[in-house]
Amino acid sequence: AAGVIQSPRHLIKEKRETATLKCYPIPRHDTVYWYQQGPGQDPQFLISFYEKMQSDKGSIPDRFSAQQFSDYHSELNMSSLELGDSALYFCASSPRAPGDGYTFGSGTRLTVV
Amino acid sequence: GQQVMQIPQYQHVQEGEDFTTYCNSSTTLSNIQWYKQRPGGHPVFLIQLVKSGEVKKQKRLTFQFGEAKKNSSLHITATQTTDVGTYFCARVTSGSRLTFGEGTQLTVNP
Repeated sequence: AAGVIQSPRHLIKEKRETATLKCYPIPRHDTVYWYQQGPGQDPQFLISFYEKMQSDKGSIPDRFSAQQFSDYHSELNMSSLELGDSALYFCASSPRAPGDGYTFGSGTRLTVV
Repeated sequence: GQQVMQIPQYQHVQEGEDFTTYCNSSTTLSNIQWYKQRPGGHPVFLIQLVKSGEVKKQKRLTFQFGEAKKNSSLHITATQTTDVGTYFCARVTSGSRLTFGEGTQLTVNP
């Protein structure tokens, strides 16, 4: 079965640079979520989209923005990168009634140097 | 806040021993989900509990939801090295976001 696809798997950027992370959700899953996970931490919710509209917003810095496109893929744009932005970024998708849980992608490991 | 508290933070067991992790909330939970994250991996959904006192089993894993729906537990019988990872409980909150507990990191010595 198709899973949630994220790219790239690894990304190294310098401070103050910009990064774009991509996510392709499971077909027919109508909600996409972005999470940030620091070392030894639990995943922290950033933002979500339902049917291409932003549906919820968490602790996402103003330097970050995200959108969902007509083909349902989503992109997380991160500008003015800081060392503290180094983390694993997961995308997840779920159907409207998530009784079967959320499906996470393999993540993008962002390292800011 | 609406955080679910999870204990213990770390658990080291010998292969064959049992393991339990607990989630506690100060408020009533409408549901609780459990995820497993292998080292270097991503969270993988295990189960969702919604009913008061619910007990569900998956092979050696037993999941319970408290009668008051304020706590939940995951019990693994006779751990194996393949059980290594971090186990998270999570609640679905407003806007359908998942809010995770801090996780319990399980290591199994062969």
